[in-house]
Amino acid sequence: TQLLEQSPQFLSIQEGENLTVYCNSSSVFSSLQWYRQEPGEGPVLLVTVVTGGEVKKLKRLTFQFGDARKDSSLHITAAQPGDTGLYLCAGEGTTDSWGKFQFGAGTQVVVTP
Amino acid sequence: DAGVIQSPRHEVTEMGQEVTLRCKPISGHDYLFWYRQTMMRGLELLIYFNNNVPIDDSGMPEDRFSAKMPNASFSTLKIQPSEPRDSAVYFCASTRPGDTQYFGPGTRLTVL
Repeated sequence: TQLLEQSPQFLSIQEGENLTVYCNSSSVFSSLQWYRQEPGEGPVLLVTVVTGGEVKKLKRLTFQFGDARKDSSLHITAAQPGDTGLYLCAGEGTTDSWGKFQFGAGTQVVVTP
Repeated sequence: DAGVIQSPRHEVTEMGQEVTLRCKPISGHDYLFWYRQTMMRGLELLIYFNNNVPIDDSGMPEDRFSAKMPNASFSTLKIQPSEPRDSAVYFCASTRPGDTQYFGPGTRLTVL
């Protein structure tokens, strides 16, 4: 059973458009991470958010952690073909589970020129 | 640093055969994780080690799966006997406190 629900499962947009992907859970997390995975490779960390309500920006990517630390969103402005990939969110539990992350199923993003 | 190294990158075997996947973590990282990724179930944590000691193996599917970490620079994940439903991409990742997890390139396993 996936504790983290990601939506949408698949997103296809044209270069220059904006997109938002969501990560929701009924569980509270001590931290939440976003990764991007390209075909034939392992996931690569984009950001870690820790504080409820936190917003982090990485160039054209904006990450938000919900106030209750149960959900998160990733917004990409003016998407480029290089943004294509599988976006995964991962939550770290609040009990004795340092480093143990539960992953969502991912959102496959395709940005066409 | 070369990053997390996994071998083989691809493995094709027949049902019933033993499969051994290998991982070399990043030097200095004292946590090592084994994950399995499938379309149906996404990325699942199988087991993780701290200082070569297994901490949580609750994600290991069944007794056919076993993992060892004989020293700080090497870990194996073994499946015996393998079954077609074990077909997946298996990732190894390593980290240390305060740092991020670094994933290896994965081993794509196909069990016929």
